[in-house]
Amino acid sequence: AQKVTQAQTEISVVEKEDVTLDCVYETRDTTYYLFWYKQPPSGELVFLIRRNSFDEQNEISGRYSWNFQKSTSSFNFTITASQVVDSAVYFCALRGGNTGKLIFGQGTTLQVKP
Amino acid sequence: DVKVTQSSRYLVKRTGEKVFLECVQDMDHENMFWYRQDPGLGLRLIYFSYDVKMKEKGDIPEGYSVSREKKERFSLILESASTNQTSMYLCASSTHPQGFEHEKLFFGSGTQLSVL
Repeated sequence: AQKVTQAQTEISVVEKEDVTLDCVYETRDTTYYLFWYKQPPSGELVFLIRRNSFDEQNEISGRYSWNFQKSTSSFNFTITASQVVDSAVYFCALRGGNTGKLIFGQGTTLQVKP
Repeated sequence: DVKVTQSSRYLVKRTGEKVFLECVQDMDHENMFWYRQDPGLGLRLIYFSYDVKMKEKGDIPEGYSVSREKKERFSLILESASTNQTSMYLCASSTHPQGFEHEKLFFGSGTQLSVL
């Protein structure tokens, strides 16, 4: 069975702090894809990143960075120098190689205070 | 700009009513999905469709049905609404039916359904 766990329900930080959102996944597939989505207060989920299971290289995009470690089945997301506009619910998701089904974690609500 | 439009942002229905949630995408995407979002449970897949008139059950299809008569439109139907179907419903679409390697989902803004 496939499963995604985001153990942090809510995180509150002060602007300019760094924050890491944890994601742990379970799958028996050898080929799989991991995603992060952001859901701002408007409600529409926005795609942030996709990673396939063969590419463990970490990625940085501006203030965002992602750490993929197969050994610990984790795909963590770090926001550097957080801003108020980063306040949102963040979802980690997993898809097995042969299916279009995307399995989401429970979500982490991030509040960045000014 | 890509667009997934859900017909209602808020909806209030009574127990036993038949409810239709409509979703339209303007990107000519093959794949369409219905999720429900509940606090502490994340998003759970109800139904999805890879093509017109095709449908596949997701993880929680009980109490729901879907219709995909046209490529751009995917409807979620609650045959007899119940209070435990009060939730946020999210529609999504994606392309690349031949392989999912490069697929990403585009979401609508959601419909908050309250069943009284």
